[in-house]
Amino acid sequence: GQQLNQSPQSMFIQEGEDVSMNCTSSSIFNTWLWYKQDPGEGPVLLIALYKAGELTSNGRLTAQFGITRKDSFLNISASIPSDVGIYFCAGQRVDSSYKLIFGSGTRLLVRP
Amino acid sequence: GAGVSQSPSNKVTEKGKDVELRCDPISGHTALYWYRQSLGQGLEFLIYFQGNSAPDKSGLPSDRFSAERTGGSVSTLTIQRTQQEDSAVYLCASSFSWTGVSSGYTFGSGTRLTVV
Repeated sequence: GQQLNQSPQSMFIQEGEDVSMNCTSSSIFNTWLWYKQDPGEGPVLLIALYKAGELTSNGRLTAQFGITRKDSFLNISASIPSDVGIYFCAGQRVDSSYKLIFGSGTRLLVRP
Repeated sequence: GAGVSQSPSNKVTEKGKDVELRCDPISGHTALYWYRQSLGQGLEFLIYFQGNSAPDKSGLPSDRFSAERTGGSVSTLTIQRTQQEDSAVYLCASSFSWTGVSSGYTFGSGTRLTVV
């Protein structure tokens, strides 16, 4: 099925560094969501974006809904060991009120 | 319950056997979703239930896959004649009908299916 292009696939960072990841799509989305998944758990919602250009923060996390409605990014500032996990972007297409399209994930590994 | 409950958490089955995966959504959530997560991949939509409406089965990969939801609550995903490519984590999620995807819905911890 259709998936979003998410990058990078994985990254090692030094504790305290800032992190950036992004998703792009050929389709326009009404909603962009960012999730984090810990091992053995389901994804947990971090940030939801509903309007083109919207910039939203949740603690050290900041995400933006791209102006073209075809992309989004997530930034994590001052990373800490508990940020380790897989981050997924997900988008809701204009022709579906309930179905999400997911990116393939960014695996974040932090060096203490 | 407090969260979405899935069982079993892990299932190992022989190729060709049938399996049933169970999902117990959050009380009061009328919308229920099944997704599949293959190794190193994102989540793939399988099926959506909303109240008494006909389910959206458009994501089911083959006719070996079926799902039902009884009494508007518990859902069972059945895979018949399992194949090795069915090995994945099967995730269930639920939400209130009026928020749908905008709330990001709540996922269970998944069932890890391994077909040997």
